[in-house]
Amino acid sequence: EDQVTQSPEALRLQEGESSSLNCSYTVSGLRGLFWYRQDPGKGPEFLFTLYSAGEEKEKERLKATLTKKESFLHITAPKPEDSATYLCAVNTNAGKSTFGDGTTLTVKP
Amino acid sequence: NAGVTQTPKFQVLKTGQSMTLQCAQDMNHEYMSWYRQDPGMGLRLIHYSVGAGITDQGEVPNGYNVSRSTTEDFPLRLLSAAPSQTSVYFCASTLTRGTEAFFGQGTRLTVV
Repeated sequence: EDQVTQSPEALRLQEGESSSLNCSYTVSGLRGLFWYRQDPGKGPEFLFTLYSAGEEKEKERLKATLTKKESFLHITAPKPEDSATYLCAVNTNAGKSTFGDGTTLTVKP
Repeated sequence: NAGVTQTPKFQVLKTGQSMTLQCAQDMNHEYMSWYRQDPGMGLRLIHYSVGAGITDQGEVPNGYNVSRSTTEDFPLRLLSAAPSQTSVYFCASTLTRGTEAFFGQGTRLTVV
C-alpha cells in the first residue's frame, strides 16, 4: 500500500527564518512526487514535480529535493505570504495519487 | 479558460438524502479524481478515472458512485448521505499519469 508521511504537522517561523518540510514515502512504481500549496478555503495549487532521485526544483523562496525515500521542501527567508498548508503527493504507475496530511506553515512578521 | 469547475460550493443534506456533486474540466485532461478532505488531514482518494468509460475505486469509496461518460465531466453521487460524509470534496484533473493535478474550488458538504 502506498504511504506518504509529512512532518512536522505544523511549523511556526519568524520572517526570514529558513527551514525545511519533510515528505517520506513508500510506493511501488513512482511516476512523480508533487508539492502543492493550499490556502484556507481553496483547492491545492501545484508547486513542483520531481521524477527521480537527485532532482531539484526552485521557485522564488522554495526549493524541492528528492531522494529514493523522501523529499524536502526548503523555505529560504520566508515571508508572511508563504503561510499556507503544503501538501506532498506521489503518483504511481496505476495513475492514482496518494497525499500526505500536510504541513501547516505560519510565518510571523 | 475555466480549468476545473465544481458545483455547488456549499450544500446541506439531511441524513438519507442523495445528491450529485458536479465536476467539469475544459482542458481535455485524461485523468480525473475525487477527493475528500477532513479537518487537519490531507486528501483521501474516493474514486478516479483514467479516461471516459473507465473508473476505479480509491482509498474511501464506500457510499459514493461515479461515472465518466465524457472526457469533460466526472460527477460524484452520494447514494444515501450520512453524517460521516460531512467533508470538503475536491475534484481534480491531470493531463495523464505522472503530471500535476488541477483542482476545483471544492464543495463543502454538511450532512445533518
